[in-house]
Amino acid sequence: KQEVTQIPAALSVPEGENLVLNCSFTDSAIYNLQWFRQDPGKGLTSLLLIQSSQREQTSGRLNASLDKSSGRSTLYIAASQPGDSATYLCAVRLPGSGGSNYKLTFGKGTLLTVNP
Amino acid sequence: DGGITQSPKYLFRKEGQNVTLSCEQNLNHDAMYWYRQDPGQGLRLIYYSQIVNDFQKGDIAEGYSVSREKKESFPLTVTSAQKNPTAFYLCASRLTYLNYGYTFGSGTRLTVV
Repeated sequence: KQEVTQIPAALSVPEGENLVLNCSFTDSAIYNLQWFRQDPGKGLTSLLLIQSSQREQTSGRLNASLDKSSGRSTLYIAASQPGDSATYLCAVRLPGSGGSNYKLTFGKGTLLTVNP
Repeated sequence: DGGITQSPKYLFRKEGQNVTLSCEQNLNHDAMYWYRQDPGQGLRLIYYSQIVNDFQKGDIAEGYSVSREKKESFPLTVTSAQKNPTAFYLCASRLTYLNYGYTFGSGTRLTVV
C-alpha cells in the first residue's frame, strides 16, 4: 500500500527566505507526482506535475524535484513571500489504469507560514 | 475559463437527511473523482468515474452514492447511512489519455446540524 509522508507538518519562516518542503513515498513505482497548494477553506491548486521519467519541474519561484529510487520529492520555494502562506500537499499516482492505480495518494501536507 | 464548479460552498444537513453535492466541469475531462478531506487525515477517495454511466467505489464509499449521466457532471449524494458526514468535499477531474495532472474544484463544506 502506497503511503505518502510530508515533513515538516508545519513551517514558519521570515519573508525572503528560501525553503524546502519534503515528500516521501513508500512505493517507488509511481507514474507521476503532483504538488498542490491549498488555502484555508479552499480547493486544491495544482503547482507542479512531475512525470516518473523527469527529475524536476520549475514554475516561477517554485522548483520540484523527484528521486524515484529513494522515494522522495522536494518542493523548493525561492524568496518566499507572505502570499505563499498555505498548506502544500504532495500526491502520487501509480502506473496503469486499473486496480488502485486510478487514484492519487496524498500526504497530510505542510502548513507554511511566511511572516512579513 | 475552463474549470470545475462545486456547489453549494456550504451545506447543512439534518440527521437522517440525504443531501446532494454538485460538481460540474467544462474541461472536457473524461474522469471525475470525489475526495473527502478531514483535519489530520488527508484526502480520501470516495468514488470515481472514468466514463459516462460507469463509476467505481473508492476507499470510503459507504454511505455515499453517485451518478454520471453526463460527461460534465458527477453529483455526490451523502445519504443518512453516512454516520459522520461533516467534512470538506472536493471534486476533481482528469484527462486519462494524456499525462495531465488532476484539476480540483473549490470544495463544499458539509456540516451536520
